[in-house]
Amino acid sequence: QSVLTQPPSVSAAPGQKVTISCSGSSANIGKNYVSWYQQFPGTAPKLLIYENKRRPSGTPDRFSGSKSGTSATLAISGLQTGDEADYYCGTWDSGLSAGVFGGGTKLTVL
Amino acid sequence: QVHLVQSGAEVKKPGASVKVSCKISEYTVSKLSMHWVRQAPGKGLEWMGGFDPEDGETVYTQKFQGRVTMTEDISTDTAYMELSSLRSDDTAVYYCTTGVQYYDNSGSRVYWFDPWGQGTLVTVTS
Repeated sequence: QSVLTQPPSVSAAPGQKVTISCSGSSANIGKNYVSWYQQFPGTAPKLLIYENKRRPSGTPDRFSGSKSGTSATLAISGLQTGDEADYYCGTWDSGLSAGVFGGGTKLTVL
Repeated sequence: QVHLVQSGAEVKKPGASVKVSCKISEYTVSKLSMHWVRQAPGKGLEWMGGFDPEDGETVYTQKFQGRVTMTEDISTDTAYMELSSLRSDDTAVYYCTTGVQYYDNSGSRVYWFDPWGQGTLVTVTS
């Protein structure tokens, strides 16, 4: 049972926009910054978004992050088949004094 | 650009220990905050612990307290994660990663991981 809650899967057609939610509490998302990671099968996670909405060099601007209250959202516009991957949110939980992740969301581009 | 290369896959018996290494290149391990995250087959990411620059010490998540030890060899720029008393549910891919963590002016914690090692599969089986 993950501390952060994500939908197990989302899907959309190529060219469309999809959003992935990440729900937490006042001890984690409500208090601290959120990051997002992209993971392709059999490979290591890769940082996609940090500090809620900042993109590292290499992350296309089709990917955007936002946070409101105790929830965060990853939006991907102009979907491409190459975006099919698992996506994880992460943050620090001040109550647990631990790093926490969501359970992951599998994106399918139909 | 920091680059992390981990040691190869391991097969261990229940009750044994495993030590996974993470070689850092293009940087110095003493200037990095090294963390370890694991992923059981078909499951999500689980933070195990890492160096906290606020406290100046390595912290472990409660689940692994007493079973995990994370160390660094400054002379070889290598980080290590040792897990003892292995059980079948410790079967997972173990990742090393470098963390960025600090408190901003409002007291909110900035916290993210980049880059990541390629992962080391540890299989625990009798």
